[in-house]
Amino acid sequence: EDQVTQSPEALRLQEGESSSLNCSYTVSGLRGLFWYRQDPGKGPEFLFTLYSAGEEKEKERLKATLTKKESFLHITAPKPEDSATYLCAVHPRGNQAGTALIFGKGTTLSVSS
Amino acid sequence: EAEVAQSPRYKITEKSQAVAFWCDPISGHATLYWYRQILGQGPELLVQFQDESVVDDSQLPKDRFSAERLKGVDSTLKIQPAELGDSAMYLCASSLFRGTTYNEQFFGPGTRLTVL
Repeated sequence: EDQVTQSPEALRLQEGESSSLNCSYTVSGLRGLFWYRQDPGKGPEFLFTLYSAGEEKEKERLKATLTKKESFLHITAPKPEDSATYLCAVHPRGNQAGTALIFGKGTTLSVSS
Repeated sequence: EAEVAQSPRYKITEKSQAVAFWCDPISGHATLYWYRQILGQGPELLVQFQDESVVDDSQLPKDRFSAERLKGVDSTLKIQPAELGDSAMYLCASSLFRGTTYNEQFFGPGTRLTVL
């Protein structure tokens, strides 16, 4: 069964304190891995897509990396406005009829000044 | 910047009533998804359309839920009758995906449903 596990569930950081969020996955072949940011009461906002092991992408203070079993979202010198829930999702190759993403439960990040 | 539109943003209803949600995807996006997100969980697929055709509705509770995308553009998701356990955020997403590797999905703001 395709599965996505994110850790930790919640993370509290001081402003400027760098850290990483983990996303481990078990899928029947990977077409792509996606990171989204979700603010309370809003829809997920697309951040990155990663397609192959070794790939890295950056956007401002965020950097996403991918291995064959997991992905990391590195946050460098975070600011309070980075506080949100970060969702990881996979697009499995599998035999499923559709192309829906399978999401983890997310990591809720709180950055205090 | 193009966005996915959804309405209403909030809906409060009593159990056994009917509710409907509307979604207008990003212009030109052939694929449309309806997801349901329970508080503290990730979104889970309800139904996927490719143009006007249903591609995957395996997780849609068909005894009470229905979805349509008649002209291959906007879509409506209906629940009748609503149950207490249907309280959740209903999210619409769209993508350009047409059998290629790329599948970036862009989400709308969601409809928060509360069933009393």
